[in-house]
Amino acid sequence: ILNVEQSPQSLHVQEGDSTNFTCSFPSSNFYALHWYRWETAKSPEALFVMTLNGDEKKKGRISATLNTKEGYSYLYIKGSQPEDSATYLCAPPGGATNKLIFGTGTLLAVQP
Amino acid sequence: ETGVTQTPRHLVMGMTNKKSLKCEQHLGHNAMYWYKQSAKKPLELMFVYSLEERVENNSVPSRFSPECPNSSHLFLHLHTLQPEDSALYLCASSQDSGTNYNEQFFGPGTRLTVL
Repeated sequence: ILNVEQSPQSLHVQEGDSTNFTCSFPSSNFYALHWYRWETAKSPEALFVMTLNGDEKKKGRISATLNTKEGYSYLYIKGSQPEDSATYLCAPPGGATNKLIFGTGTLLAVQP
Repeated sequence: ETGVTQTPRHLVMGMTNKKSLKCEQHLGHNAMYWYKQSAKKPLELMFVYSLEERVENNSVPSRFSPECPNSSHLFLHLHTLQPEDSALYLCASSQDSGTNYNEQFFGPGTRLTVL
């Protein structure tokens, strides 16, 4: 069974703070890593799909890096805003095509 | 309608009832998924359909029965459920290109309560 760990489980920051979370996964047979953002009462929304060791992707104030050799990915948010409050999920594929294994997520709360 | 829609949004049922959850995607994708989100647990994949064929059944009890009549529609038929089956059931779709590189698009979910 693929073990995906995300830390921290939850995070409370002030508006304007920068923050980062970690996703750890087994590094063998790596295919890709997905990051999703899930706001309360909404649907999970894809942020990034990362495939190559050393990949760095950016969308506005959010960026992510990938290290496939050691099995981790970081998600960074620069200058957090209240609208960034959500659960951030990572999901490496579970070996087979289309099968994603989700971590438990990091719950981010940004206080105005 | 755009994206992925799910009906009903909320469902309360007894253990002897039979009900169905419906999912529809308007994105032209060829793969659809059912996920279960229980309290304090990760999103758990239940079923995957690609080109209308079931390609993944993640050891789901037979009281959950999926159906994919075409690439735009996915159903989850429920019968003789248990209270521990109460959860949020999410549908998703993606374009299956034979890799894991394509993002999945999720519906809003059905909040199911089994009494």
